[in-house]
Amino acid sequence: GAVVSQHPSRVICKSGTSVKIECRSLDFQATTMFWYRQFPKQSLMLMATSNEGSKATYEQGVEKDKFLINHASLTLSTLTVTSAHPEDSSFYICSARTSQSFGNEQFFGPGTRLTVL
Amino acid sequence: AQTVTQSQPEMSVQEAETVTLSCTYDTSESDYYLFWYKQPPSRQMILVIRQEAYKQQNATENRFSVNFQKAAKSFSLKISDSQLGDAAMYFCAYNMNRDDKIIFGKGTRLHILP
Repeated sequence: GAVVSQHPSRVICKSGTSVKIECRSLDFQATTMFWYRQFPKQSLMLMATSNEGSKATYEQGVEKDKFLINHASLTLSTLTVTSAHPEDSSFYICSARTSQSFGNEQFFGPGTRLTVL
Repeated sequence: AQTVTQSQPEMSVQEAETVTLSCTYDTSESDYYLFWYKQPPSRQMILVIRQEAYKQQNATENRFSVNFQKAAKSFSLKISDSQLGDAAMYFCAYNMNRDDKIIFGKGTRLHILP
């Protein structure tokens, strides 16, 4: 149980285009979902927290107009990178938790590698 | 603000031996959770072990155990009988009970020598 999927696993896009990444909780209802960014050989950096049906809370320094997050249902959150540029190339990871999560445990997706040309 | 520090960027251990990864954290809270996550080359984050701050007993999961020293704000991970599959990046993490955020350390890359 507690499986989180992400789609796509890899995406390559041209500079200036927008890219949408989906995060789904497959066998549980995710009251809260999180989006992280990870640069090579570095730790996970929290970008934003989203609760179903409400606006996402962005971490300081993260541009909310560039990284659009929508948590439309209890099983789906999307991250859209708008007008992507090469510096947006990174590994994006989502995670999810439920109200029944023991010890505030988060379940992580497998990540999406974004390459902007 | 809460911080998590992992002072060992890389470590190596011989297969079948024991290795300890260090982690310290800073918080003024008394109620919180600590985690060790493993990130293998696949990049999938895997929970290794979890410790509740209110529990004095150190958590154990098979070959993995922690040494939780609350007063010293230390949370080290011991891996016994190291296996090749243990090679990964290990992240120490902190979560305050009433706050959803997980704060990660910078990670320790563990190499297993055959």
